[in-house]
Amino acid sequence: EPEVTQTPSHQVTQMGQEVILRCVPISNHLYFYWYRQILGQKVEFLVSFYNNEISEKSEIFDDQFSVERPDGSNFTLKIRSTKLEDSAMYFCASSPGLAGATVTEQYFGPGTRLTVT
Amino acid sequence: GEDVEQSLFLSVREGDSSVINCTYTDSSSTYLYWYKQEPGAGLQLLTYIFSNMDMKQDQRLTVLLNKKDKHLSLRIADTQTGDSAIYFCARGGSYIPTFGRGTSLIVHP
Repeated sequence: EPEVTQTPSHQVTQMGQEVILRCVPISNHLYFYWYRQILGQKVEFLVSFYNNEISEKSEIFDDQFSVERPDGSNFTLKIRSTKLEDSAMYFCASSPGLAGATVTEQYFGPGTRLTVT
Repeated sequence: GEDVEQSLFLSVREGDSSVINCTYTDSSSTYLYWYKQEPGAGLQLLTYIFSNMDMKQDQRLTVLLNKKDKHLSLRIADTQTGDSAIYFCARGGSYIPTFGRGTSLIVHP
């Protein structure tokens, strides 16, 4: 069964450093998402991406964050200058289409745990 | 308070029923969901219910929705050790869900 994969599973970085979290969505999916979960908190939506541009973003997704689909398979989340409060689990998700779709069609990856020291 | 609230832990004995509860504040939610997250894995959609329904049953899973009280529950019958996981309640009116913090279900022999 196709699945969303994410690398690395755990990333440790120093405050102020740039990090890139990588995701490989399911191959025929068209919509891509990033969520995060700070330890003990709820899962929060960050951004959705379609047709090579951001379609929706939350207030969390400020100028320090960017997303990119550099090739036909990868979807990346970049944090330019990490802060301690960026420490969280970051989940990537993908869905086959939006028209008539609901969130029931989102498929999640296993997450990358980012630790900022 | 939180938009979607659920208790953090639930411990049950194998073979018993588990009931995980969730409350939400936004009555305009069209869909209400239950996700399961096993260790090292992503969120897996277990089941969902439309806001115009009161109950949905799917094998061992029963979802109950009380719209008046904005209360959602997930009942797992004959709970097994493989059901040990974190269960997330979520609500959605569009394609972006709002999640709760998750309830850790611990199943012991």
